[in-house]
Parts: sequence; structure tokens; C-alpha cells
Amino acid sequence: DAKTTQPNSMESNEEEPVHLPCNHSTISGTDYIHWYRQLPSQGPEYVIHGLTSNVNNRMASLAIAEDRKSSTLILHRATLRDAAVYYCILRDRLNYGGSQGNLIFGKGTKLSVKP
Amino acid sequence: GAGVSQSPRYKVAKRGQDVALRCDPISGHVSLFWYQQALGQGPEFLTYFQNEAQLDKSGLPSDRFFAERPEGSVSTLKIQRTQQEDSAVYLCASRDSGGLQETQYFGPGTRLLVL
Repeated sequence: DAKTTQPNSMESNEEEPVHLPCNHSTISGTDYIHWYRQLPSQGPEYVIHGLTSNVNNRMASLAIAEDRKSSTLILHRATLRDAAVYYCILRDRLNYGGSQGNLIFGKGTKLSVKP
Repeated sequence: GAGVSQSPRYKVAKRGQDVALRCDPISGHVSLFWYQQALGQGPEFLTYFQNEAQLDKSGLPSDRFFAERPEGSVSTLKIQRTQQEDSAVYLCASRDSGGLQETQYFGPGTRLLVL
């Protein structure tokens, strides 16, 4: 799986939008972009994923650059509960061998939300 | 339904002691993963099961680490003769099918401290 680059930390105010960037300049045409987050003292949880088009779900939106070399996770109104480490992960949809789809995490972005 | 559960949540072991960490995946989930998360780092893959078969154990750091899933449901990660460098959070995740883009559901982890 290709490597991603994220800022170590970001701060946001409660009820304001948050844009979490991720660079993946070596992404291949078969890589999906996944986001997971890890709340304090919990295991990671799935947030959203996409391939080329922007995606929306109840938790967040994912904006993917036209060249796919970067993406942005958007939290429309941050709450205190959104304080977590956010991981951007590339998943090759054609990878059928070896580790059968284990996730490769980087250090992620630690998001702090101020009341 | 219930999510992934892990027990114990916390374990303190003396160096040289053997420990066993349990994972109860979501009922019916075929795939099960173990990850190790050191302080301040993202989770790292240890091993993968499809039903009762251990298909990948390439991430196990030494032969002191052993995992099993004898009936294709509950899994146990055993660490023999624990060392201080084994101190970490051990996370279990399960996935519904063999689909590589399927969401992984994580448990809360077991925090192991080796003194």
C-alpha cells in the first residue's frame, strides 16, 4: 500500500468545519482512500472511503483532488466528541495476496476541538 | 448487535510472565486481525485469520508471540516470557467477508504493561 502524509496535529473550534488534509502523491489507479479515526482509549473506527469522486456520509465528507494525489476529510461541524487521531490509509483493491487486506496506519493527525 | 470485545482491558505482567489476550469478534465475521499499537504510534499489523486458518503471521515480532482461533470465532493472542518492549495496546479487528475494501471493526484493545 502506498504511503500517505498527514500533519501531526490540528486544532479546531467546536461547531466549526474542519478540513483534514492527506497527501498521497504515489497513489496508484487501483488504490482506494480510506479514513479511520481513533478516539481516546478506543480502537480505530471507520469514517469514510472513496476512489475518485467526492463522498458523503453521516459522519463526514471526503474530497478527492482531480489528480488523486491528495484528499481532504471534512467534518462539517466539529464537536468535542470528534477529538481523535485521524488516519488516512490507501487500500489497493487488487491486493489479493499476503496479508489479505490488513490496514497500514501512519501516525495520523491528532485533532483537538476547543469548546 | 454487539461489537468486537476484548479482555482483559488492562494487564500488568512481570517480565518473563506469560499472558493471554482474548478477542470476541462480531458474530459471523470471517476475518480477524490482530494489531499492536505502541504509545504515540499508529497500529501495526500482527496476524490475520480467515475463519480458523491463520493465513498471515508475518507481523508477529518474535516466536514468543502466538495466536489461535480454533473454532473460527474467538481468538487468543498469547505472549510468552514477556519483555518490557511488549508493552503496548493490542487491538483486535474483525471483518464480515473476504472483501478487501470491507470495513474493519475494532475492539477497544488490551493495554499491556510489562514491568
